[in-house]
Amino acid sequence: GAGVSQSPSNKVTEKGKDVELRCDPISGHTALYWYRQRLGQGLEFLIYFQGNSAPDKSGLPSDRFSAERTGESVSTLTIQRTQQEDSAVYLCASSPRGGGGSSDSYNEQFFGPGTRLTVL
Amino acid sequence: DAKTTQPNSMESNEEEPVHLPCNHSTISGTDYIHWYRQLPSQGPEYVIHGLTSNVNNRMASLAIAEDRKSSTLILHRATLRDAAVYYCILRDLGFGNEKLTFGTGTRLTIIP
Repeated sequence: GAGVSQSPSNKVTEKGKDVELRCDPISGHTALYWYRQRLGQGLEFLIYFQGNSAPDKSGLPSDRFSAERTGESVSTLTIQRTQQEDSAVYLCASSPRGGGGSSDSYNEQFFGPGTRLTVL
Repeated sequence: DAKTTQPNSMESNEEEPVHLPCNHSTISGTDYIHWYRQLPSQGPEYVIHGLTSNVNNRMASLAIAEDRKSSTLILHRATLRDAAVYYCILRDLGFGNEKLTFGTGTRLTIIP
């Protein structure tokens, strides 16, 4: 079946402009995560959605970053007034549910290919 | 989150076994050990996870030290496709803690 998809695959923008990044999770997956990966670094958690619960926004680096999710489907990550430090690959992942419980019920995260954002 | 330490890079010959180490001396009793890998220009993919006992799946094996302060991911017969960055991650599977905390991982190079 189809995996997690993200669009656009590449985005070049000028400093100060707003950008929107889109994530289409695997159908039926209730949990959705956004991560950021700077060049040569590991992934940094940004935000997590689980069903109708309030999202965990603890990883958002500033109030310029926000994300929305429509039900259990598409999510959009918005970065306002982009800065050069925002340049990174933004990765989305989904899982059947948000985890918790025993090893037998672990729900691995399925990642999309990412959106490479370049802020000039 | 408890921290993991991995070598920055490793090399292995094709068709040979590979042992990727991970130290996690501050692991807590409820932390599971997870491994993900990231192939070039792709998002990470799940490899394996475990708590105390060694684990095997179609991709790899996970050997966990008796004191749980270290673990080793074993690729039994490396192929060129296994060239990737491998991340060792500790994750508390208590309810409400879902995010993965990635370090910089080990970059594995496979020599043909």
